[in-house]
Amino acid sequence: DIQMTQSPSSVSASVGDRIIITCRASQDVRTWLAWYQQKPGKAPKLLIYAASSLQSGIPSRFSGSGSGTDFTLTINSLQPEDFATYYCQQANSFPHTFGQGTRLDIK
Amino acid sequence: QVQLQESGPGLVKPSGTLSLTCAVSGGSLSTTDWWTWVRQPPGKGLEWVGEIYHAGNTNYNPSLRSRVSISVDKSKNQFSLQLTSVTAADTALYFCASGQLAQLHSWGQGTLVTVSS
Repeated sequence: DIQMTQSPSSVSASVGDRIIITCRASQDVRTWLAWYQQKPGKAPKLLIYAASSLQSGIPSRFSGSGSGTDFTLTINSLQPEDFATYYCQQANSFPHTFGQGTRLDIK
Repeated sequence: QVQLQESGPGLVKPSGTLSLTCAVSGGSLSTTDWWTWVRQPPGKGLEWVGEIYHAGNTNYNPSLRSRVSISVDKSKNQFSLQLTSVTAADTALYFCASGQLAQLHSWGQGTLVTVSS
């Protein structure tokens, strides 16, 4: 299985800050990578697909980059509704593994 | 985008079979999407369980392969998950979702399944 490792595992930030979450794959996943946001008790929401494409309806303060094994999710100008847990997922090979998650808390 | 809704028993006995259905509304199963199950143990991260295409092609997580089966019923516009020989480790919030490679754009709200006697 391809292991997906996110860092940090948790981060505290303030409204208006910029944060960067990284996701590293144990093998090349090309650009078959997605980022999801999940709030407690809710389903994940797709933010970014194909490593850098913004899903329809997602604010432009979210952006993704990377290819191969190293990827980043950047959130500019954090808003109160952005405090949640974020997951990356690879779909280059089966099983389509997720990262362990990054919890974003309000400082 | 389609709407997805999971249903099934919330309590399953150890060694029993977990059976869940995902009803699809607002669209057809017969699209280019793959119909997927993802689970999340309480307080933990997401685990990809498997997926099915409307033609019946399936892919499963090898960690579950001997116990998992996903099927599709186009006449009812739904797909289903069966997981046999369950243990407490299978207790989780089970989500159905749809999309293509690394693009699960539609999700159900999730259903909690507890394995306990």
